Amino acid sequence: DTAVSQTPKYLVTQMGNDKSIKCEQNLGHDTMYWYKQDSKKFLKIMFSYNNKELIINETVPNRFSPKSPDKAHLNLHINSLELGDSAVYFCASSQGGSVAKNIQYFGAGTRLSVL
Amino acid sequence: LAKTTQPISMDSYEGQEVNITCSHNNIATNDYITWYQQFPSQGPRFIIQGYKTKVTNEVASLFIPADRKSSTLSLPRVSLSDTAVYYCLVGAPGAGSYQLTFGKGTKLSVIP
Repeated sequence: DTAVSQTPKYLVTQMGNDKSIKCEQNLGHDTMYWYKQDSKKFLKIMFSYNNKELIINETVPNRFSPKSPDKAHLNLHINSLELGDSAVYFCASSQGGSVAKNIQYFGAGTRLSVL
Repeated sequence: LAKTTQPISMDSYEGQEVNITCSHNNIATNDYITWYQQFPSQGPRFIIQGYKTKVTNEVASLFIPADRKSSTLSLPRVSLSDTAVYYCLVGAPGAGSYQLTFGKGTKLSVIP
């Protein structure tokens, strides 16, 4: 069984559309994350939730809205997609406690292409 | 904001030891240093984590000097399958929440 799974793996859409990426972890972890990796391979944290509560919220356009229905799921909804949103988005989870210490387990990524 | 600095790329021949250094001058007292490995079209994978001095596991060693402002990931006797991007991660306080800053990554190319 995949520990951290993201769907879809690929997402191609037009500018202005709204899309969602889903993430689920079966590791029993308390903390989940969303990262964005751009074409230059920079990996930047976007959000982090601990037990369904937002604990990290980086400088991200408010078109991006994370939603955590339970601690095993952290979905990412993006409104009014722009060309610059094209990237690979990674979901991750960790056990909880000190965010700075915890080892993160990453999903395989969702490659978003905005046309 | 904490920032990390790593070499953009490194080349090595198979069988050699590779050392990748990460600078993190603003590391906070409670922060740990974690290294991840990423292969193309995959998510990053944990390699090793440490707080100070030296840590060793079956894959790598991590050397951290007393001032903790840098760390060095050491990969013994690399093989072609070690070709990947290696990221250094430290946590740092900022704006009321902890921020996780990945280094820009070091692309290691292992040459036969």
